[in-house]
Amino acid sequence: GESVGLHLPTLSVQEGDNSIINCAYSNSASDYFIWYKQESGKGPQFIIDIRSNMDKRQGQRVTVLLNKTVKHLSLQIAATQPGDSAVYFCAETHQTGANNLFFGTGTRLTVIP
Amino acid sequence: DSGVTQTPKHLITATGQRVTLRCSPRSGDLSVYWYQQSLDQGLQFLIQYYNGEERAKGNILERFSAQQFPDLHSELNLSSLELGDSALYFCASSGPYYGYTFGSGTRLTVV
Repeated sequence: GESVGLHLPTLSVQEGDNSIINCAYSNSASDYFIWYKQESGKGPQFIIDIRSNMDKRQGQRVTVLLNKTVKHLSLQIAATQPGDSAVYFCAETHQTGANNLFFGTGTRLTVIP
Repeated sequence: DSGVTQTPKHLITATGQRVTLRCSPRSGDLSVYWYQQSLDQGLQFLIQYYNGEERAKGNILERFSAQQFPDLHSELNLSSLELGDSALYFCASSGPYYGYTFGSGTRLTVV
């Protein structure tokens, strides 16, 4: 099956700094990617998504970059806040046929006040 | 409230027992997915249903089964439970207009 992995299992940043969370995926047929935030005891919460026909997408304080050549995805969080502390997962899927998501193992982001 | 409802929120049961987890998808969503998350791990895909039919299977044990009913709610049945089955079980739904939405999960503890 597909394999989605993360380069760093933990990340600590100072409040106000920018955070970058990386993800590698293995299935070149994947055409849709999503970043999720998961707080302790809660379900994954959608942050931002990107389709394979794009290489960058911006949201509020978040940016996702997609490099299909090296099968790499990153999430950038600007001006990181204590409320951003959580585990972040990238997920991939192919949007036709069985379109279940495959998740990476997650990166725990800790924001230091 | 994400629109995806999972019950119960917590479940404690003994080894060898059988439990049923329930999921009501977001209104209008035809696809339901089940995921298992062990402590500090990622989400492992178990199974997907679309409009009552099984569409995809992941790493689901033979002791586990699922179904989706005509009203589109889904149940995940876990039998002959083992200590290692203790985990968070999440349901997600998706539809034609919105992406994937997760429920808040059921925490299963097998003792």
